[in-house]
Amino acid sequence: DIVMTQAPLSVSVTPGESASISCRSSKSLLHSNGITYVYWYLQKPGKSPQLLIYRMSNLASGVPDRFSGSGSETDFTLKISRVEAEDVGIYYCGQLLENPRTFGGGTKLELK
Amino acid sequence: EVQLQESGPGLVKPSQSLSLTCSVTGYSITSNYWGWIRKFPGNKMEWMGYISYSGSTSYNPSLKSRISITRDTSKNQFFLQLNSVTTEDTATYYCAKERSSGVYWGQGVMVTVSS
Repeated sequence: DIVMTQAPLSVSVTPGESASISCRSSKSLLHSNGITYVYWYLQKPGKSPQLLIYRMSNLASGVPDRFSGSGSETDFTLKISRVEAEDVGIYYCGQLLENPRTFGGGTKLELK
Repeated sequence: EVQLQESGPGLVKPSQSLSLTCSVTGYSITSNYWGWIRKFPGNKMEWMGYISYSGSTSYNPSLKSRISITRDTSKNQFFLQLNSVTTEDTATYYCAKERSSGVYWGQGVMVTVSS
């Protein structure tokens, strides 16, 4: 199985500041078709997870452009610019390259 | 807009079977992939498996022969059955639509395994 490792476990951010979350995969997520199959999700308190970023750097529909994704074949970063109160929750990275699909352990974002 | 809604018992006894239904509106389950993902207490997320647009299935090997995902295309529903449950199967279960542009999740249903 592809292991997805996230860091940090939690992050505390002042509103208006930026935050970055890292995710590392145990295997390259770059397919021969040139697509990198890493995704980012946010689970807000009391809600189901929602898609933020797909295929490493594409913003999902309706997601503010304060969110951005970047990375290489095995190291990925989610950046949140100008953090707002509505960004609080648990962030997960995940891969859709292979079965079984796997997820990172989650990063909890809180406000200072 | 696709909507997914899980339904099923919130309490299951150990050694029994867990059965959940996912009702899909706004999109046909004869397209894309339709799966089940669970989140354990403590935030760990586990992909359980999916059923494809053609009816083929893929399961997480960790669940071995305990899992079955089926569908009823006439009702646009798909189903999860997990056999021989233990307390370690206590989790929130989500049904989900999967495509290359990402996973879209239902609201989730909490299932507790307890006698």
